[in-house]
Formats: sequence, structure tokens, C-alpha cells
Amino acid sequence: AQTVTQSQPEMSVQEAETVTLSCTYDTSESDYYLFWYKQPPSRQMILVIRQEAYKQQNATENRFSVNFQKAAKSFSLKISDSQLGDAAMYFCAYRRAGANSKLTFGKGITLSVRP
Amino acid sequence: DAGVIQSPRHEVTEMGQEVTLRCKPISGHNSLFWYRQTMMRGLELLIYFNNNVPIDDSGMPEDRFSAKMPNASFSTLKIQPSEPRDSAVYFCASATGQGYGYTFGSGTRLTVV
Repeated sequence: AQTVTQSQPEMSVQEAETVTLSCTYDTSESDYYLFWYKQPPSRQMILVIRQEAYKQQNATENRFSVNFQKAAKSFSLKISDSQLGDAAMYFCAYRRAGANSKLTFGKGITLSVRP
Repeated sequence: DAGVIQSPRHEVTEMGQEVTLRCKPISGHNSLFWYRQTMMRGLELLIYFNNNVPIDDSGMPEDRFSAKMPNASFSTLKIQPSEPRDSAVYFCASATGQGYGYTFGSGTRLTVV
């Protein structure tokens, strides 16, 4: 079974600084997708970024980028120029390629941003 | 696009009562998922449907929980009878294609007293 591990329950960053959130996963599949979701206090789950396992290039979305290390099964999220609105819970998630696949989430990490 | 619509947003009920949570997925999405979120267990997948057919309900806690998807635009999650330990936020999500993430609804916060 696939598992997603986020070992840091909480992190804090100074506004305008950069922070990296860690995630590891376990799978025997070679083709899959990885995601980071943000859940602010409003509880809405928001897709931040996605990565296709067959692509070597790391995904980037504005201030958000990932460091995807397929061999190490590592998928970290880097937030640059942190803003107060980035304070939220962040979930790493995995979905294997193919029909009828489900999204498996890590436990999440709470990010606070200090003004 | 209105996104995934869940109702109600909040529900408070007494133990033993029946609770029905509703979800309208995004038009054109062929997969629908029900998740439960608690502090202790995080996000748990309860059941998911593909083209209105239940694919995997192994996450449904027990027989008190049931889910239906009578058509492509509507799904329900029912708890009967409800218990205090069912208190959680229940999310519905829909998706299209295998490579995309899910679009989540705003969730229903259920409190069973």
C-alpha cells in the first residue's frame, strides 16, 4: 500500500523568508502523481502544486516550487517570500496513475508565518 | 464553475439521529470521493465512485455509514444512527482524469452530541 509521511507536525517562518516542507512517500509504482494541498483556517482544501513522476523537471507555481527526488521518494515544497496568507496546514498527497486510483494524504504540517 | 458544492456547511445533531450529507460534484468530473477529517486520524478516504459506481468503500467505518450516487451530479453520505465519535469534517471531492488532483468542497462540520 502507498503511504505518505510528513514527519514535521509544525513549522514557523518569518514573513518574506523561505521555508521548505518535507514529504516522503512509499510506493512500488513507477508512474504516479504527487500534490501539495493547502488548508487555511477556512478549512477549504486548495491545490497548490502537482508533479508528474515521469517528469524530471520540478514543478513551479509562482512562489511555490517542489524538489522531487524520485529515487529517494522525496517531495518537498518550498515557499519563497512567505506571506501571512501562507499560514495554513499543508498536506502532501500521492495518486498512482491509472483508472480508479485514489489520493492518499499525509498527516499534514501546520505552517505559521511570523510578521 | 461553482466548484464542488456541499450541504449543509454545519450540522449539529443528537446521538442516534440520522444524518445526511450532500454533494454536487463539478460537471464533467467522473470521480467522486468522500473524506473524513479529524485531528486524531487526519484525512481518511471513506468511499469513492467512478462514473457513479462505488469502486472502493473499504474506508467506510461501519454499517452505520452508507453512500449513494444516483446520478453524475449528486451524491449523499448517510450516517444512521449517528454517534458522538462521528463528529468530524466531511469533505466531498471530485476529479477528472487520472493525473489531476481533486477539487474539494467546503466540507460539512458534523457535531453529534
